[in-house]
Amino acid sequence: EIVLTQSPGTLSLSPGERATLSCRASQSVTSNYLAWHQHKPGQAPRLLIYGASIRHTGVPDRFSGSGSGTDFTLTISRLEPEDFAVYYCQDYSSPPYTFGQGTKLEI
Amino acid sequence: EVQLVESGGGLVQPGGSLRLSCAASGFIFGDFEMNWVRQAPGEGLQWLSHIGKSGSPVYYADSVRGRFTISIDNAKNLLYLQMNSLRAEDTALYYCTRRFNSWGQGTLVTVSS
Repeated sequence: EIVLTQSPGTLSLSPGERATLSCRASQSVTSNYLAWHQHKPGQAPRLLIYGASIRHTGVPDRFSGSGSGTDFTLTISRLEPEDFAVYYCQDYSSPPYTFGQGTKLEI
Repeated sequence: EVQLVESGGGLVQPGGSLRLSCAASGFIFGDFEMNWVRQAPGEGLQWLSHIGKSGSPVYYADSVRGRFTISIDNAKNLLYLQMNSLRAEDTALYYCTRRFNSWGQGTLVTVSS
């Protein structure tokens, strides 16, 4: 079972700044089946990125994913007020479909 | 528009049972695998169970295998999670998700005496 470790646990930034979130896997993620989800309190989680770097439909282009193997990054180029949330990476290559512990992006 | 609406949550005593439902609309239900994911208070997302198109294969997280059962009714566009032998640590918001690209709003399960 792959373990996903996200860093940092909390990231404090301001609107307009660039955010870089990391996700490290304990072993190589098959075919880069790595997703990033955004989750705000009281709302459904939202898929942002799949296949490590492919933006899901309707996701603004300020969100980008990169990486392969065991090291992955979610970058938000210029933070908007609505981007402050918790972000999870996820390995969806095969069960168990592990999530990282999350990075809280706060103002 | 894809819609997933969970129901069936509530307060249950330890050792009790609940059946969660997820009503799907806006897509051909039988064409997609489905999953259940939960979030305990103050915790992150935890994958629980997967069911393939037409009901197989099924997979479970170790923490719920043998206690929870996932199933679907393609005729009614419904996904289920039968939860037995519930424990305090099963207290969480339970989400259904279509292939992790569409999610419901969740239903709250509280296990407490």
